[in-house]
Amino acid sequence: AQSVAQPEDQVNVAEGNPLTVKCTYSVSGNPYLFWYVQYPNRGLQFLLKYITGDNLVKGSYGFEAEFNKSQTSFHLKKPSALVSDSALYFCAVRDDTGFQKLVFGTGTRLLVSP
Amino acid sequence: DTGVSQDPRHKITKRGQNVTFRCDPISEHNRLYWYRQTLGQGPEFLTYFQNEAQLEKSRLLSDRFSAERPKGSFSTLEIQRTEQGDSAMYLCASSLKLGTSGNNEQFFGPGTRLTVL
Repeated sequence: AQSVAQPEDQVNVAEGNPLTVKCTYSVSGNPYLFWYVQYPNRGLQFLLKYITGDNLVKGSYGFEAEFNKSQTSFHLKKPSALVSDSALYFCAVRDDTGFQKLVFGTGTRLLVSP
Repeated sequence: DTGVSQDPRHKITKRGQNVTFRCDPISEHNRLYWYRQTLGQGPEFLTYFQNEAQLEKSRLLSDRFSAERPKGSFSTLEIQRTEQGDSAMYLCASSLKLGTSGNNEQFFGPGTRLTVL
């Protein structure tokens, strides 16, 4: 069965500093990995995905993520954080067996201070 | 706005009542998903349609839950005999399957927040 772990409930970073939000996963086949962001009282917004190819994936709003197969990780990164990046971030995974459901982590709250 | 829409945005009901939620996907999307999200948790998969066919159902979807997508466009999720444990945010998502590619991302609606008193 698929699973996702986001080990940090909250990440604090100062504006202008780089940020990393961690995600590790477990699947039985090849992973398809996704990052979503959720603002208060709103649905999830897609940021980026890894399906195959380059391990470094670039997405919306300057975010990128690095796929590491040996460490089964897919950490979200941004070189320079903005206060407006403060939100709840979810990592999700599904495998390549044909089932479409996404399995989400519990989320990491990112707080960017001015 | 041509994103996924959900109605109502909020629903308060008394235990034992039936409720129905509606989801309108992005117009060209042929796949539609329902998830449930409780406070402090990530979304949990409930069910998935490709066109009008319901192809996957979670064990979370008890007999009191039923979902339909009769014409392959909008979908409804009904909860019968609601319980306090049903209180959650119900999220709908849609995606597009093109040919053999099934890896497109899911786009989420704003959700329906259900409170069962």
